[in-house]
Amino acid sequence: SYVLTQPPSVSVAPGQTARITCGANNIGSQSVHWYQQKPGQAPVLVVYDDSDRPSGIPERFSGSKSGNTAALTISRVEAGDEADYYCQVWDSSSDHVVFGGGTKLNVL
Amino acid sequence: EVQLVESGGGLVQPGGSLRLSCAASGFTFSSYEMNWVRQAPGKGLEWVSYISSSDSSRYYADSVKGRFTISRDNTKNSLFLQMNSLRVEDTAVYYCARRFYYDSSGSYFDYWGQGTLVTVSS
Repeated sequence: SYVLTQPPSVSVAPGQTARITCGANNIGSQSVHWYQQKPGQAPVLVVYDDSDRPSGIPERFSGSKSGNTAALTISRVEAGDEADYYCQVWDSSSDHVVFGGGTKLNVL
Repeated sequence: EVQLVESGGGLVQPGGSLRLSCAASGFTFSSYEMNWVRQAPGKGLEWVSYISSSDSSRYYADSVKGRFTISRDNTKNSLFLQMNSLRVEDTAVYYCARRFYYDSSGSYFDYWGQGTLVTVSS
């Protein structure tokens, strides 16, 4: 089965840049989506199709992909960005949805 | 306004059954593919099941295949998850989520419910 690997946590000071990675074999052939989840809330889409932003999501959130790794970058991090972030793909070979294990963003 | 409201969660003993419901409103339910996603306490998101808009296709995660059944009633704008032979490890918040296509092949979950908690314990 397809596996997406994320670091358990990333820590960053306010105003700095956070980069959260999502690694997988052949991820280049997949469209990667990113969700933000705050405690007690449902996930919210912040980036789709590797690097596109839904309406209403600040430009500080951006996505990229290179080699076997996709990344979510949050610029000028704010305290309100502290949350869990998940990458997700649709594995067309199995018709299954796959989520990464999630990364907790700590704002110091 | 799009709304997805889950219900039916609760405490059940191992080996028991439970039926979750998701009431949809604010959009043409019959035009959208739907999914169930769960999250165990303190853990990450896990996709559970998918159903096509016309109920012609259903898919399941290996962890629930043969025990859970997804279904829908387009006349009542409702999504269901019948969960049988429940295990302790099925304990989680269960979310229903709508699949949105942004192009001919690409899609993501654009709306989620607030979730319903299922606790499997003796």
